[in-house]
Formats: sequence, structure tokens, C-alpha cells
Amino acid sequence: GAGVSQSPRYKVAKRGQDVALRCDPISGHVSLFWYQQALGQGPEFLTYFQNEAQLDKSGLPSDRFFAERPEGSVSTLKIQRTQQEDSAVYLCASSLSTTHGEQFFGPGTRLTVL
Amino acid sequence: QQQVKQSPQSLIVQKGGISIINCAYENTAFDYFPWYQQFPGKGPALLIAIRPDVSEKKEGRFTISFNKSAKQFSLHIMDSQPGDSATYFCAASMAGTASKLTFGTGTRLQVTL
Repeated sequence: GAGVSQSPRYKVAKRGQDVALRCDPISGHVSLFWYQQALGQGPEFLTYFQNEAQLDKSGLPSDRFFAERPEGSVSTLKIQRTQQEDSAVYLCASSLSTTHGEQFFGPGTRLTVL
Repeated sequence: QQQVKQSPQSLIVQKGGISIINCAYENTAFDYFPWYQQFPGKGPALLIAIRPDVSEKKEGRFTISFNKSAKQFSLHIMDSQPGDSATYFCAASMAGTASKLTFGTGTRLQVTL
């Protein structure tokens, strides 16, 4: 594809609902990152995949957050029992490299929890 | 703990002027320092990046100045244009962490006519 795509672009959830956010990285990119961007803030790291292996999940804020990348391409970030503080833009980025390669970001999914 | 501090929070520059955004970091293990540009409704896009073995890197109108001893780096945008109006983020990463980025809080730049 031309770039990283994310769906849905906007998601409104009632408090307590589960949501699933999808990321389609650039084809062939080994590394995949999820970041959370609160309004007016910089992105904050959530988790990292190298192919299908989740090598770093140190940024996930609670056990309600779960991410997977089962076949080493598409990734899903799942948030269970959403809370108002989960409202943010969730950004996915992919990189060809496993070291200091350029990260290409998707447009993000804006999650609003009512 | 905010590992990368960015200033100013917002900046207004006239067309043709120089925009300067500053960042300071705390973790001396950081060894890669990119700047990202973000337009509303879009994801961040890499603008320019530097490693600590050089003190300056220039790409077109964009220059990074890096001061390793002071643990500071800055972005200079020469001949600023209205199309440069966006939010700019400095970031840092370290080897061995799969280059996960630690971002600053962002600077909203407005270039006026």
C-alpha cells in the first residue's frame, strides 16, 4: 500500500465497551509500533512488534489493553472495558528496520469514550 | 517523568522568518534524535533526524543543531512559509530498544503572511 492505514478513523464508545483498532502497516515492514496521543500532547509509546513477536509492551497502561500481530503484518489494538481516560488518538507506525529506521505513521484512530 | 522537554509550546513567525524550537533530554543513553511534523488529522511525519556524533545537520530549509554536553538539540526552519504551519515534535530513542520513540510535548507553529 501507499502508506500505513488505520481503521476506523473515528470510534465512539460507551464506557465499559470493548473496542478494536486496526493497523495495516507498509508491506514488508518488520517493525510495528502503537502510540497513544492525548489531546495537545506528544505520542506516547504503547507497544512494539518485530514481525509477529511482541517484544515490548512496557507502555500499555493497564491489562485492559491488548495488542496482537498474529501473521506479522496487520495488527489490532484491543481495549477492554473502556474508560473515559482512554479517550485519545491511537497511532500506529511501521518501520523497515529493527533499529533506528524511519517510522512511518498512520493517520490514527480517534477514540472517544463517553 | 518527562524525558524530553520541548519549548516553546506555541510559536508565531512571520513569513520569511526563522522558526526555532528547542528540546532538552535527560537520558544520556539516547542516541537518535528525530523531528516530526504533524498536520491536523494526520499522523506525524519524519522531517529530519540527527545522531550525537555530529553537531549539525541541514536538509533544505531545516537544520538540527545538537549540543551533546548540554543535552539539548534544536530545530531551525529558515525562510518559514505558511505551509510550515503545523505541530512539531522532537523525539529521542536509544539503541537496543527497537527505536521506540520518546516524544516531546510539541510546538504549534503558525507562520503568518
